[in-house]
Amino acid sequence: DQQVKQNSPSLSVQEGRISILNCDYTNSMFDYFLWYKKYPAEGPTFLISISSIKDKNEDGRFTVFLNKSAKHLSLHIVPSQPGDSAVYFCAANFQGAQKLVFGQGTRLTINP
Amino acid sequence: NAGVTQTPKFRILKIGQSMTLQCTQDMNHNYMYWYRQDPGMGLKLIYYSVGAGITDKGEVPNGYNVSRSTTEDFPLRLELAAPSQTSVYFCASSWPGTGGEEQYFGPGTRLTVT
Repeated sequence: DQQVKQNSPSLSVQEGRISILNCDYTNSMFDYFLWYKKYPAEGPTFLISISSIKDKNEDGRFTVFLNKSAKHLSLHIVPSQPGDSAVYFCAANFQGAQKLVFGQGTRLTINP
Repeated sequence: NAGVTQTPKFRILKIGQSMTLQCTQDMNHNYMYWYRQDPGMGLKLIYYSVGAGITDKGEVPNGYNVSRSTTEDFPLRLELAAPSQTSVYFCASSWPGTGGEEQYFGPGTRLTVT
């Protein structure tokens, strides 16, 4: 049972445009959501998170939106830069849980 | 701080061999985790630990064992390696908290079983 799903394995965006990565979840108990970025031959690194009491969180070029009724979140990157080319993982957990549930990842390619 | 370190970076095992993947963190984190990542797949939790002496199974624990004798170290043991264990293994650590805390990952160990 895949509780966190990233249905797009890959996404290609032109440099300077907006990148939108999507994530769906099925467990209504999740109340924290995180995005991680992973470069080849490296471990994932934390990018941004959002609590279920919010519907938006911004950090520079990165904004995460949460739609609880649709059980959907998205990561917006604007403007997209070549260094943003990486695999992005969505993850979720709930208060008191000691572990994250990860999606399958989306490979983002920024074209010059 | 070195963060989370893992050794070795690469390893090729023959079927039936055993090995230990090492993981050390210097951030004094209580929580530590082992994940595997198969091609085109997300991170699957193998085992985790909430403190020295305490470990618990994750989503895919079969074929693996762990121990946590110190806060810093969380080795993963593979007994009787099988081709299905060919994967990239990541160790991670974090503080305990309300649930939104980030996990810090090591660089990974790429394991091939032939």
